[in-house]
Amino acid sequence: NAGVTQTPKFQVLKTGQSMTLQCAQDMNHEYMSWYRQDPGMGLRLIHYSVGAGITDQGEVPNGYNVSRSTTEDFPLRLLSAAPSQTSVYFCASSTHAGTGPAKQYFGAGTRLSVL
Amino acid sequence: KQEVTQIPAALSVPEGENLVLNCSFTDSAIYNLQWFRQDPGKGLTSLLLIQSSQREQTSGRLNASLDKSSGRSTLYIAASQPGDSATYLCAVEDGTASKLTFGTGTRLQVTL
Repeated sequence: NAGVTQTPKFQVLKTGQSMTLQCAQDMNHEYMSWYRQDPGMGLRLIHYSVGAGITDQGEVPNGYNVSRSTTEDFPLRLLSAAPSQTSVYFCASSTHAGTGPAKQYFGAGTRLSVL
Repeated sequence: KQEVTQIPAALSVPEGENLVLNCSFTDSAIYNLQWFRQDPGKGLTSLLLIQSSQREQTSGRLNASLDKSSGRSTLYIAASQPGDSATYLCAVEDGTASKLTFGTGTRLQVTL
């Protein structure tokens, strides 16, 4: 059981470049989300999805796009990378809150540097 | 806006000691609270989840308590071991779409 898989593990971009961070889960979870982790600031929610075709913004959505065409995949797109987007990005998934409290499962993260 | 604070930011203890990590949150209208462990360069692993109606949860040497009215939670680690060295994160869920608000963590080092 792979859980939550993120690719790539590391990435270096130049300012203005675009890229997609991939996230896939094999647990048939309805809820998926993206967080970024910066020193001294904890993890902050970027975007989240409650199911295929449904996405919404979190606390820090600017500069990022998401889509959810399938239950399994939830890619995060950087439209025009900026140095302020240098961070570690984590994808998470969990079952529907309506079924009761559920633990969140996190991927191993993608370390992104924007020069 | 929910804010989560963890104290201390870093802690070093000798092996065998019992220790307590603290977490406080500003809005008591939470759905649940989770404690996570993060090893350097790794993702997060859920340790314990306490529902808003519960007072505590236990798993092995770990015990987490929740006092929703005062906005506090503690993670108690008994008989600490070097393998417990990691960063411990507290997060509260507001009950909508499993969105979490995280604290900045406590970095724990257990020395031999």
